[in-house]
Amino acid sequence: EAGVTQFPSHSVIEKGQTVTLRCDPISGHDNLYWYRRVMGKEIKFLLHFVKESKQDESGMPNNRFLAERTGGTYSTLKVQPAELEDSGVYFCASSPERQVGYEQYFGPGTRLTVT
Amino acid sequence: AQSVTQPDIHITVSEGASLELRCNYSYGATPYLFWYVQSPGQGLQLLLKYFSGDTLVQGIKGFEAEFKRSQSSFNLRKPSVHWSDAAEYFCAVGAYSGNTPLVFGKGTRLSVIA
Repeated sequence: EAGVTQFPSHSVIEKGQTVTLRCDPISGHDNLYWYRRVMGKEIKFLLHFVKESKQDESGMPNNRFLAERTGGTYSTLKVQPAELEDSGVYFCASSPERQVGYEQYFGPGTRLTVT
Repeated sequence: AQSVTQPDIHITVSEGASLELRCNYSYGATPYLFWYVQSPGQGLQLLLKYFSGDTLVQGIKGFEAEFKRSQSSFNLRKPSVHWSDAAEYFCAVGAYSGNTPLVFGKGTRLSVIA
């Protein structure tokens, strides 16, 4: 079974540019999460999809961030326009539908550097 | 507010020595607790989890953790560290009730010396 995959692994962009991160969850996982880790800080939740619907987007920092999940499969996270403080590692995770003993399966992350 | 505290930012141990990584949490409901590990260039890998039952849980790679409700702690232990254990370790808490976002600690970086 393939794990969670993320693309690209690393992106370097200039302030003001646009970047789109992609996450492919484990097949059949309805729940998809985005997290971010800024250097030296904890991993913080951004948003949660259940299938194609946004369940919780309370962690999204501002309206420069736009997340979508097409057909309940892969998800994209667009940052437009990027600012210096957006630099960090963006993790995606997925989990099956609600069940006791669940765990979230994480991807390798995308390292975003804004210069 | 929900939070996880990992008081040690960086720990260095000798290969073969025992290890304990500390984790304290604050959570308003019944917690579901995790330890994840991130090796260089890798994603977060689940080491172990606790949601009910025996408070001492066994994980992969010889790790174990003990849930102590009275102390709001979930410390990770390993009796004998191997050089390949060098990585960053994250404690996280989620809601027992189902699929909810996890709250993470800041992580503890483990270095292993010969």
